Amino acid sequence: DSGVTQTPKHLITATGQRVTLRCSPRSGDLSVYWYQQSLDQGLQFLIQYYNGEERAKGNILERFSAQQFPDLHSELNLSSLELGDSALYFCASSPGQLNQPQHFGDGTRLSIL
Amino acid sequence: GQQLNQSPQSMFIQEGEDVSMNCTSSSIFNTWLWYKQEPGEGPVLLIALYKAGELTSNGRLTAQFGITRKDSFLNISASIPSDVGIYFCAGYPNAGGTSYGKLTFGQGTILTVHP
Repeated sequence: DSGVTQTPKHLITATGQRVTLRCSPRSGDLSVYWYQQSLDQGLQFLIQYYNGEERAKGNILERFSAQQFPDLHSELNLSSLELGDSALYFCASSPGQLNQPQHFGDGTRLSIL
Repeated sequence: GQQLNQSPQSMFIQEGEDVSMNCTSSSIFNTWLWYKQEPGEGPVLLIALYKAGELTSNGRLTAQFGITRKDSFLNISASIPSDVGIYFCAGYPNAGGTSYGKLTFGQGTILTVHP
């Protein structure tokens, strides 16, 4: 058990809809990271937050947004969903913000019908 | 962006055999990490490497940070059936000393162990 909690484990929805994925980091970790894992693209970094502030951005679509709350949990919002958004979405956390090993949750499997 | 080339893509071995996989890049990396992922789970951190030339072990696993800072390898000795999974290398590229959270992953090595 990594100590990173993600909910829900599975999400099934339709094109055009909006969903929110939730992540609780390990106790004491201030950084939260979001990744997308698909068969053709592998694990792709989306965004990092540290202590409530955005720190780094990867190839995150404009339809996607994230935030980190004062209690350090984070949410990833995906809107105007397309079939190609079907993937595993992982959250990871680390104590600091630079060059830290990241510990991953078990992911949310998003299926767009 | 930064690319990590991981090889081999897959391995089919007999229980008891040793395994070796590696990651290379054309760019310098500050930190190398090795993860294992099993079906339905997230990647689990196996080993973290922070300095060029560093050699670190975790049980039957040994990993090294290449001296050029552009590569890393992972060895598994005396493989057992529970070693089955996908192994990923990952690294923080050297982006002016502040690469933040942009962890770059290799494509993964799928390991199958026959009893």
